[in-house]
Amino acid sequence: EDQVTQSPEALRLQEGESSSLNCSYTVSGLRGLFWYRQDPGKGPEFLFTLYSAGEEKEKERLKATLTKKESFLHITAPKPEDSATYLCAVNQAGTALIFGKGTTLSVSS
Amino acid sequence: DADVTQTPRNRITKTGKRIMLECSQTKGHDRMYWYRQDPGLGLRLIYYSFDVKDINKGEISDGYSVSRQAQAKFSLSLESAIPNQTALYFCATSEAAAVKQYFGPGTRLTVL
Repeated sequence: EDQVTQSPEALRLQEGESSSLNCSYTVSGLRGLFWYRQDPGKGPEFLFTLYSAGEEKEKERLKATLTKKESFLHITAPKPEDSATYLCAVNQAGTALIFGKGTTLSVSS
Repeated sequence: DADVTQTPRNRITKTGKRIMLECSQTKGHDRMYWYRQDPGLGLRLIYYSFDVKDINKGEISDGYSVSRQAQAKFSLSLESAIPNQTALYFCATSEAAAVKQYFGPGTRLTVL
């Protein structure tokens, strides 16, 4: 069965304290791994797409990487405005996305 | 203006009532999706449509139906709402397979 598992469920950081979020997946025929950011009560906002092992994408303080079994979202020197839930999803054979349950990040100043 | 809009944004209804949630998009995408989100369960796919004549069931379609009235409009109906359908509902669109999806702002539905 196709699965996406994110860890940790929740993460508390001090401002400037770098860390990583993990997304492990088991899916046949991966056709893209996606990272989204979701603020409370709002729709998910697209961050990155990764298609092949070894690929990396960066945006401001965020960097996403991909291996054959997992993806990491690295957060460098986070700020309070980075607080949100980060969702990982994989594309299932070109049909729809399978989402993980998310990691809720809290960054305090 | 938002590319993907959902109406209503909030709805409280009673058990047994028929409810329709509507989604409109101005992105010109053929593919549209309905998800529900529950605390601790993440986003789960209800239905998806690749064009006006193509409707497919997702992981949790029981108790729901959909209508694709036009390329830009995709509606989700709960024929007889029940309390465990209380959730946050999201519509999404995409240009093609294996590319990013754009999400609407969500509809918070409460069934009493």
